[in-house]
Amino acid sequence: QKEVEQNSGPLSVPEGAIASLNCTYSDRGSQSFFWYRQYSGKSPELIMFIYSNGDKEDGRFTAQLNKASQYVSLLIRDSQPSDSATYLCAVNAGTGGFKTIFGAGTRLFVKA
Amino acid sequence: EAQVTQNPRYLITVTGKKLTVTCSQNMNHEYMSWYRQDPGLGLRQIYYSMNVEVTDKGDVPEGYKVSRKEKRNFPLILESPSPNQTSLYFCASSLIPPILAGANVLTFGAGSRLTVL
Repeated sequence: QKEVEQNSGPLSVPEGAIASLNCTYSDRGSQSFFWYRQYSGKSPELIMFIYSNGDKEDGRFTAQLNKASQYVSLLIRDSQPSDSATYLCAVNAGTGGFKTIFGAGTRLFVKA
Repeated sequence: EAQVTQNPRYLITVTGKKLTVTCSQNMNHEYMSWYRQDPGLGLRQIYYSMNVEVTDKGDVPEGYKVSRKEKRNFPLILESPSPNQTSLYFCASSLIPPILAGANVLTFGAGSRLTVL
């Protein structure tokens, strides 16, 4: 089992819709969870991080964490074509929690 | 401008010819890390460093070496490159949060695309 699993997609949504991206992780000791966005040919950039159970909202983005189910999700409201990218879920693991494990990413296409 | 700088951005080399990919950050970050990105496999951690002279293996350290003699620099060394090390490499850095449940948000360099023939 991979330590951080994501559906590779592609996930295709129409402009203005809600895009829902999901991630599961295997290390129950993980404390911090991240969503990075990576445009084609570019480096990853942080969208949000979360470390408490529940929801965290930042503009059009909401991260949701359920530690009991070992599940993290990212909702993108009012999706725009500029949101088309690969979304990487990442989890801090290992002793001290600073070994960052990434999922393989979900490709999102937002159709105009 | 706060940034992580990698060099070279593109490199084509031959099997067995030692090479070094440099990484430098100007944010006084304690934590630095190297990743490789391959299609379908995502980002895999090669090595990371919590501070000067403190390094540890990630998930795919074989064939790589690192050193952290200065806080700002974290070079990646391929002593004898092989074709399976052809990949896109990213260096990243972050502050270390004061509590375990804090988040070390990574700032990535622009990437170095390496081809080993």
